[in-house]
Formats: sequence, structure tokens, C-alpha cells
Amino acid sequence: QQKVQQSPESLSVPEGGMASLNCTSSDRNFQYFWWYRQHSGEGPKALMSIFSDGDKKEGRFTAHLNKASLHVSLHIRDSQPSDSALYFCAARVNNNAGAKLTFGGGTRLTVRP
Amino acid sequence: EAAVTQSPRSKVAVTGGKVTLSCHQTNNHDYMYWYRQDTGHGLRLIHYSYVADSTEKGDIPDGYKASRPSQENFSLILELASLSQTAVYFCASREGTGNSGNTLYFGEGSRLIVV
Repeated sequence: QQKVQQSPESLSVPEGGMASLNCTSSDRNFQYFWWYRQHSGEGPKALMSIFSDGDKKEGRFTAHLNKASLHVSLHIRDSQPSDSALYFCAARVNNNAGAKLTFGGGTRLTVRP
Repeated sequence: EAAVTQSPRSKVAVTGGKVTLSCHQTNNHDYMYWYRQDTGHGLRLIHYSYVADSTEKGDIPDGYKASRPSQENFSLILELASLSQTAVYFCASREGTGNSGNTLYFGEGSRLIVV
């Protein structure tokens, strides 16, 4: 079983709509979380990080972390066709230089014009 | 923005042959990584390095070797390529210090097909 699991595997929303992506960790040691986005034919790029319980907002993107339930979510408001991509949740045990990042299986988001 | 370049971008290899994937970064980053991407498995760590002339095993190192001859260059070597190693391979680097240093910068990927 993957230590970082994402749902749904795929998601389709209309342009201007809200997209909600979920990530759950099975390892309570994971304390630091990232969201990465990968457009077709490109490498993943960091979208945002969240280390504390609660919400973190960056423009149209809001990440939410609940460490007690080991759950992280990403909400994209006013979704645009350019948001269509593969989104990865990633987790790390600590923020030390040597700590490795574990990725989930990804959620493929399609924004319909 | 950090620049990580991979070569080749695409390769077809025969089973049992040797494959070398190369990665070059120009950002003076300490850490470099090799991941493989398979549908449904996300990104899995193969090998990584935090200093030249030293490499570490990741989560799925079997069948792969790595080489870090300099801070800028990191290679992934498949001595005896197998069908199961067909995948897209990504190289990444990061600074390694401070919160901003924990961001991974990925290359564009190398698509390997083993036949």
C-alpha cells in the first residue's frame, strides 16, 4: 500500500468551477506536505507547501492540512483550462536537508471549457 | 528558476542492453534525485545524492546504479535493461537548506522503452 494516497484518480470540472483534490497519509510520521503539478510532456513543478494545520491560500489555490487525520487537500477555485494537469501530493517526515519526499499516485484534473 | 536538463529525452533499448540516462543542473544544488514515473504509482525514488562522488539508494534501487561525478551531473545506469524498466524517468535537484531549499526542481523527463 502506498504511504501517500490520492483521490480521486481523475476529476473533471467546468471552467470557472471549484476543483477539490484529496491526499491521505498512512504514515503518521509525515509532517510536511507539498503539492506538485505536472502538465503533459513536462516535469512536475512545485505548486505550494503546507506544514501547519489549517488553510494556506496562494491566489486561486488553497491547501488544507489536518495532521490529526493525516489529510491534506487542495482546492482550486475559478478553475481554468490551463489548470488541466496531473497533481501530486508529496510528504516528508521532517524538514531536514536529508529527508526524502514520498509522492502519491496523482490526480488527473481536466477543466472543460 | 532552477534549470535541470536530461538526456536523452527519449530512448528505445533492447532487453539486456546497457542504458545511461544523464542529468545536468546549473543551479549549484547539493541534492540530486532520480525518480521513475508509472501510471498509478506516481513518482518513486530510485537513487539520490547529496554530494559529488557519493550516491544513496532510494525506495526502488534494484536494477539501477547511479553516478555523481560532479555537483552538476548525475547519471542513472541500467546495466541490463529489462521490460519492467519501461517508464518515464525524472531527474530533480534541490538546494537542501532552509524552507525554500526543500523545493524539488525537475527536468523534462526521459522516456525509456525497453523492447
